[in-house]
Formats: sequence, structure tokens, C-alpha cells
Amino acid sequence: NAGVTQTPKFQVLKTGQSMTLQCAQDMNHEYMSWYRQDPGMGLRLIHYSVGAGITDQGEVPNGYNVSRSTTEDFPLRLLSAAPSQTSVYFCASRKAGPRGETQYFGPGTRLLVL
Amino acid sequence: RKEVEQDPGPFNVPEGATVAFNCTYSNSASQSFFWYRQDCRKEPKLLMSVYSSGNEDGRFTAQLNRASQYISLLIRDSKLSDSATYLCVVTSQSGGYNKLIFGAGTRLAVHP
Repeated sequence: NAGVTQTPKFQVLKTGQSMTLQCAQDMNHEYMSWYRQDPGMGLRLIHYSVGAGITDQGEVPNGYNVSRSTTEDFPLRLLSAAPSQTSVYFCASRKAGPRGETQYFGPGTRLLVL
Repeated sequence: RKEVEQDPGPFNVPEGATVAFNCTYSNSASQSFFWYRQDCRKEPKLLMSVYSSGNEDGRFTAQLNRASQYISLLIRDSKLSDSATYLCVVTSQSGGYNKLIFGAGTRLAVHP
């Protein structure tokens, strides 16, 4: 199993550009999430999905879109990049369950917006 | 107020030392609690779950005090390889979905 994979590892964007961060998991997990991690802020939830076709907003959804057309894939789209979106982005997945279950993270995407 | 608060550290300790991290959470309805470990420039990984009765995994002991909304992690006989950031995580129910709420982390540096 590859676990959770993310591409790209690094990206530099100019303000106003759009891009898609890819995320895939091969563990047949129902739940998938996107987080951003900034110094001193911890991991903050951007969007999450409880299954194919179902997505919802997290704590910091503005400026980001997601879709979940398959169980495996959960791409994150930046519509018009802003310097405030400079961050490290982690995708994660876990099984559905009442007590949270173990969450598996991808290796992260480091994004710099100029 | 943040939902999960941790002392950011860093905690600088010699090999073999015992070190304890604390964490407080604000949502009294939280049901599940975890400690994750994050190495520099890597993704977080589950270290251990935290149970009401307290639990131990080798050199690591986790305790939960629901009345005080307080979680702790004790590391005995610290190793150089324990150097990392330790994230306190609690769950928050939202429409049937258990969100994981992460603290900002406590950094540990173990030196020879």
C-alpha cells in the first residue's frame, strides 16, 4: 500500500494563479480531509469528505474548493492564490468510526505564493 | 481561546531524562483523545490514543483528566530519536462527523 500520496511536493505560485493539489489514498478509507499548517497555528481543517460525492467545509474553507468523485481521490483547488495561502498542506484519510480511528497523513505540499 | 492549547516549548532535555507535556482542551463534549508525533518537515503520525484510565506504551504514558479537561504525555528515558513535535488532538462532533482538532504542538529536543 502506498498509503496517502500527495503531489506536488513543492509549488511556487504568483498571486492570482490557480492550481490543484492532488491527493490519493489506497486504503479504501471513507473519510478524507485537507489541512493547512502554519507556524504557531497547528493544523487547521480546510475541507473534508465523508464519502464519494459528499464534502463539507472545515475551519478555514475560503479560497479553496474540493470534490470527491471517487473514494480514492480528493483534490484541493486554489481558485485565485493569495500570499496568505502560503503554507504546508496535508491531506489525510481514515476509516469511518465513532471514535476517530487512526488518521493517516500524506507527506505534504509546501506552497509559496508570491 | 484555542480549542486545544499546548506549551510550544522547546523542551531541551538530556538523553535519559523524563519529560512531561500537558495539553488542555475547551470542548467538554470531546470523546476521543490522541497524541501525534511530527518530525521536522514531515507529516504527523499517530503516537498513541489516550484512554480515560490512562495508558502506557513502552516509555510513553498518556493520561486524561476529563474533569479538568487536561491531557498529558510522559516520556521516560528520553532518546535522541524522541526529538520531534508532539501534537495533542481531541475530537469534536459535527453533524455525525468526528473532526480532529489539533493543538499547535510542543517541541522536544533531546541532546547527548
